[in-house]
Amino acid sequence: GENVEQHPSTLSVQEGDSAVIKCTYSDSASNYFPWYKQELGKRPQLIIDIRSNVGEKKDQRIAVTLNKTAKHFSLHITETQPEDSAVYFCAAIDGGFKTIFGAGTRLFVKA
Amino acid sequence: DAGITQSPRYKITETGRQVTLMCHQTWSHSYMFWYRQDLGHGLRLIYYSAAADITDKGEVPDGYVVSRSKTENFPLTLESATRSQTSVYFCASSESRLNQPQHFGDGTRLSIL
Repeated sequence: GENVEQHPSTLSVQEGDSAVIKCTYSDSASNYFPWYKQELGKRPQLIIDIRSNVGEKKDQRIAVTLNKTAKHFSLHITETQPEDSAVYFCAAIDGGFKTIFGAGTRLFVKA
Repeated sequence: DAGITQSPRYKITETGRQVTLMCHQTWSHSYMFWYRQDLGHGLRLIYYSAAADITDKGEVPDGYVVSRSKTENFPLTLESATRSQTSVYFCASSESRLNQPQHFGDGTRLSIL
């Protein structure tokens, strides 16, 4: 079955710097990759997603890139702000409906 | 997303007791899921359902029972609670089409003494 690995597990950046979280997946059939943000004590919420027919997608300060050949996808946050501090989960879906989540990255943005 | 609600938000119970966590969604989503979230383990899938009366085991189903008699409801029951089941439980749903994101409820924080 699908396996998603996520790195790093913890990331600390200075406000205004960029943050990058990387994920790899094992099943070449996976073709949909959502990213979720979970603030402390809150529910995970979708922040951006990418499908396998696209190499990059941007939404304001957030971007996701996908390299199907290498089975890598990454989340890029530019101009980080304290409110970006949260746990971020990458995920993969293999054309079905079950989502395989990465273990999460705890992002700290220092003011 | 007000369309998926979980109850109760907090629950304290004792080992050996039966407890049911409720999940209700108003979107008529076909797929529903139960996860538990423990420190250091991310989100682990307990059970999922593709439609009413269709359920299947996830990664960590032992000690849990689910049912889905109606599309909008997906209760999770701990038949005889154990301390290891202390966790935060999230219900989620997704649309009938494949490759869709999941929408999560606010979670239930369950403590078993």
